[in-house]
Amino acid sequence: AAGVIQSPRHLIKEKRETATLKCYPIPRHDTVYWYQQGPGQDPQFLISFYEKMQSDKGSIPDRFSAQQFSDYHSELNMSSLELGDSALYFCASSSLPGQTNYGYTFGSGTRLTVV
Amino acid sequence: SQQGEEDPQALSIQEGENATMNCSYKTSINNLQWYRQNSGRGLVHLILIRSNEREKHSGRLRVTLDTSKKSSSLLITASRAADTASYFCAAGIFGNEKLTFGTGTRLTIIP
Repeated sequence: AAGVIQSPRHLIKEKRETATLKCYPIPRHDTVYWYQQGPGQDPQFLISFYEKMQSDKGSIPDRFSAQQFSDYHSELNMSSLELGDSALYFCASSSLPGQTNYGYTFGSGTRLTVV
Repeated sequence: SQQGEEDPQALSIQEGENATMNCSYKTSINNLQWYRQNSGRGLVHLILIRSNEREKHSGRLRVTLDTSKKSSSLLITASRAADTASYFCAAGIFGNEKLTFGTGTRLTIIP
């Protein structure tokens, strides 16, 4: 079965550069969530989209932006990167009412390292 | 504020023993989910228990939910070396689609 696809798997950027992370949800899933997980930390919710509209926003810095496209894939754009942005970035997808019965499906994540 | 807080933060047991991890949360929930994460890898959904359920089983996993105490437990029976991972609980909250994760329990199974 198709899973949530994230690209790239690894990314190394220098401070003040820009990064774009991509997420391709499971087919027919209409909701995408982005999470950030720092080293040894729990995943922190960043932002979510439902039917291409932002549905919720968490602790996402103003330097970050995201959108969901007509094919439901989502991109997280990160500008003016800082060392503290180094983390695992996860994308998850779900569909109502599935999320209340079956949980969310996470991608394998993108490991961003800012040097 | 964190919704899910795991207890203990780290647990080491012998292979074959049972492992129990606890989770507490703060507000009313729609469901409580448990995820596993191998080091540096993705989060794998293990089991979901709805707020109107008290116990659920899936293979070697048993989850309980006590909404009066706002707590849940995950029991892994007959542990295996492959169960070594971090385990997170995550609260699905009414009227809010996002999951709020706890800090996780690092489980180590000693062969």
